[in-house]
Amino acid sequence: GAGVSQSPSNKVTEKGKDVELRCDPISGHTALYWYRQRLGQGLEFLIYFQGNSAPDKSGLPSDRFSAERTGESVSTLTIQRTQQEDSAVYLCASSFSNYGYTFGSGTRLTVV
Amino acid sequence: GDSVTQMEGPVTLSEEAFLTINCTYTATGYPSLFWYVQYPGEGLQLLLKATKADDKGSNKGFEATYRKETTSFHLEKGSVQVSDSAVYFCALQPTGNTPLVFGKGTRLSVIA
Repeated sequence: GAGVSQSPSNKVTEKGKDVELRCDPISGHTALYWYRQRLGQGLEFLIYFQGNSAPDKSGLPSDRFSAERTGESVSTLTIQRTQQEDSAVYLCASSFSNYGYTFGSGTRLTVV
Repeated sequence: GDSVTQMEGPVTLSEEAFLTINCTYTATGYPSLFWYVQYPGEGLQLLLKATKADDKGSNKGFEATYRKETTSFHLEKGSVQVSDSAVYFCALQPTGNTPLVFGKGTRLSVIA
């Protein structure tokens, strides 16, 4: 597609439930990133995929968070047993070489 | 580790005023530097970038110069407009396709 697409755009879930967030990167972009943006805060790096290399998971805040990517296409971020502190906007970005990121519009997650 | 420090907002200016948003960084090596902008209700967009010392990035009347000696990348605009109201994020990328490190963002409000 023309841009990075994320779904759903909004998600309200009950504490303790699992959620899956999806990201469709720009075709041909080899790198894909997930960030979290809490209200009034900066962007917090979560995980990074580069081609077929092992992902950089150094930013994942706990083992409740995981992500997968199929080849150089769709990625899914899964949060298990959601907590209220997981409420945030989850942003996905993709890039090719060193030209900066293209961000999606994000998924706003609210845990109640 | 690598980090970015931005001036805290919010910044409120009258239309046609001069804008400076300070950004300093800490990094090993020679990172690329970026400014991203997030307009209300939208995703982050790349505003400008610079990849080496003394490079000047510019776009939409905004400028920033990569200053290695002061480890800074201050954003400037000579005459702001109401439409510039947004949150501005300074970021660095250590190398290649490595994850961007973001500052906390500075909210700018321009009043007519």
